[in-house]
Amino acid sequence: KQEVTQIPAALSVPEGENLVLNCSFTDSAIYNLQWFRQDPGKGLTSLLLIQSSQREQTSGRLNASLDKSSGRSTLYIAASQPGDSATYLCAPRGSGAGSYQLTFGKGTKLSVIP
Amino acid sequence: ETGVTQTPRHLVMGMTNKKSLKCEQHLGHNAMYWYKQSAKKPLELMFVYSLEERVENNSVPSRFSPECPNSSHLFLHLHTLQPEDSALYLCASSQIGTGELFFGEGSRLTVL
Repeated sequence: KQEVTQIPAALSVPEGENLVLNCSFTDSAIYNLQWFRQDPGKGLTSLLLIQSSQREQTSGRLNASLDKSSGRSTLYIAASQPGDSATYLCAPRGSGAGSYQLTFGKGTKLSVIP
Repeated sequence: ETGVTQTPRHLVMGMTNKKSLKCEQHLGHNAMYWYKQSAKKPLELMFVYSLEERVENNSVPSRFSPECPNSSHLFLHLHTLQPEDSALYLCASSQIGTGELFFGEGSRLTVL
């Protein structure tokens, strides 16, 4: 059974700082991995999707990397802004028979202080 | 309307009531999902429909009954719920093959 751990659970940084969020997963047989953000009481917004054959994906100030063999992904946020404050979730999707299952971590709650 | 739309956004019901949550996706996807998000727990997958057929049911109690009448609509019928069923219920959709998941805003359910 896939297990996902996100470290740290919470992070507070001053505006403008670059930061890294970490995600580790136990089963490396994944189809892809998706990063989301969730604002309080809201749904999840997709940030980046990395296919299992890819090493990284970039969107604006966000860069996600994937090391499938070691079961790790990182989300890099450059020049953080107060609007980046949210909970960030990673979710690897299983392959084969488990391809409908995304397993979520508990998330990293980010606070960017103006 | 764009993306994934869920109604109602908030629902309060008694343990003997029957209610339904509705989800509609406008993305042309062919797979739809129900997730449950409880406080301090990771998101839990409840049901998956692919091409309108249920392909996954993660040991969900029978008081939750899904329905997928077509590829754009998904319902979650609720009856005789328990207070511990209070949670945020999230609907999502994806295209089989590409796998990127898109979520709605969720329905916040409170069971009294």
